[in-house]
Amino acid sequence: QVQLQESGPGLVKPSETLSLTCSVSGYSITSGYFWGWIRQSPGEGLEWIGSTYYSGNALYNPSLRSRVTVSSDTSKNQFSLKMNSVTAADTAMYYCVRGDKQTAMVTFDYWGQGALVTVSS
Amino acid sequence: QSALTQPPSASGSPGQSVTISCSGTSSDVGNYNYVSWYQQHPGKAPKLMIYEVNKRPSEVPDRFSGSKSGNTASLTVSGLQADDEADYYCCSYAGTHGVFGGGTKLTVL
Repeated sequence: QVQLQESGPGLVKPSETLSLTCSVSGYSITSGYFWGWIRQSPGEGLEWIGSTYYSGNALYNPSLRSRVTVSSDTSKNQFSLKMNSVTAADTAMYYCVRGDKQTAMVTFDYWGQGALVTVSS
Repeated sequence: QSALTQPPSASGSPGQSVTISCSGTSSDVGNYNYVSWYQQHPGKAPKLMIYEVNKRPSEVPDRFSGSKSGNTASLTVSGLQADDEADYYCCSYAGTHGVFGGGTKLTVL
């Protein structure tokens, strides 16, 4: 049973860096698939942020590319999200997801329960 | 980047069929057979229901089906059940990224 669990601060100050970690159990992140992040603003739709392969190949949404880094730690079977220069517009529920090998930016078959991050001073 | 266009709401009675549309362009839906659909119940994470236009994960009932014509993808839910009441989102590959629709709230009357 593949399980994903997000962790990280629930409150981040404007202009600072948002950092989240996703711990994966029941599957090794080195066994394939992409591992990524999707966010959902309060009452809004979904937005793909970026995904990484364990070897280091990362894919990013062009609209967020300049502020985002998605990376993995194979020794801990975890992957992480860092988003810098955050504003109130980055307040959202952040989900970590497993992405299909061939359609990593579209097909997400496992999701974490989500982590609510609020950007406020 | 523009989101894919979905109707904000749809509804049907138990046992009926409902189709939800997802309108894109020749740069996304119309150019790739990489469209997925997600179901989201309140307070829960989304769940994959359809991928690559019309493929279903093994655990998804065959009452759920997907299709595509031109720049528009569709999700059909047959034999509506109370538990089908949820938000549904489409997602398409757009060349350099994935793009989601704005979501459709499905109400079972």
